[in-house]
Amino acid sequence: GAVVSQHPSWVICKSGTSVKIECRSLDFQATTMFWYRQFPKQSLMLMATSNEGSKATYEQGVEKDKFLINHASLTLSTLTVTSAHPEDSSFYICSARDGIADPGGYTFGSGTRLTVV
Amino acid sequence: GNSVTQMEGPVTLSEEAFLTINCTYTATGYPSLFWYVQYPGEGLQLLLKATKADDKGSNKGFEATYRKETTSFHLEKGSVQVSDSAVYFCALSGSNYKLTFGKGTLLTVNP
Repeated sequence: GAVVSQHPSWVICKSGTSVKIECRSLDFQATTMFWYRQFPKQSLMLMATSNEGSKATYEQGVEKDKFLINHASLTLSTLTVTSAHPEDSSFYICSARDGIADPGGYTFGSGTRLTVV
Repeated sequence: GNSVTQMEGPVTLSEEAFLTINCTYTATGYPSLFWYVQYPGEGLQLLLKATKADDKGSNKGFEATYRKETTSFHLEKGSVQVSDSAVYFCALSGSNYKLTFGKGTLLTVNP
């Protein structure tokens, strides 16, 4: 079945530094990638949607200059948290969709636990 | 806009008990409906889905039927196991292919 690899699975960084999270579709073409943020014991909040080769579309209230999303190929999307602060600490999850072969299917990565100290 | 309302947890059951987690939705058009499961510290795994009215999704003993008349997609399992302990999310995808999630229901199954 479809597999999405997300890493790192956890990362600790100092306040003010930037962190990059990668999301790769291993056996299908991810025409669309979704990035979510999840706070403890809460649901997933969609941050942005990106289509391969296009700029990401951010949800209301999400700072696009802080959360940089790149989707340069059909198998890789990255989320960079720039100038991270403790309030950015969270669980980030990516999801990929193959809009051609399986438009109704969504495959999730295993998530990245970011802690900013 | 689209929305999903699911039963607030936590839900605690004994092994072999019957499980129901209620889920209702509001959406325009004909959404697809999903149940996802999340184990601690992990991403989401698709449990089952249904793409049109009256479809029944099933997997690992779990079932849910897409009821358009009641806008519901309740999750059921006849006999839960300790290994079913996790957070369950109901979700829908609309015409824009974005997933809208419910708040999640924590299920704990005791031996």
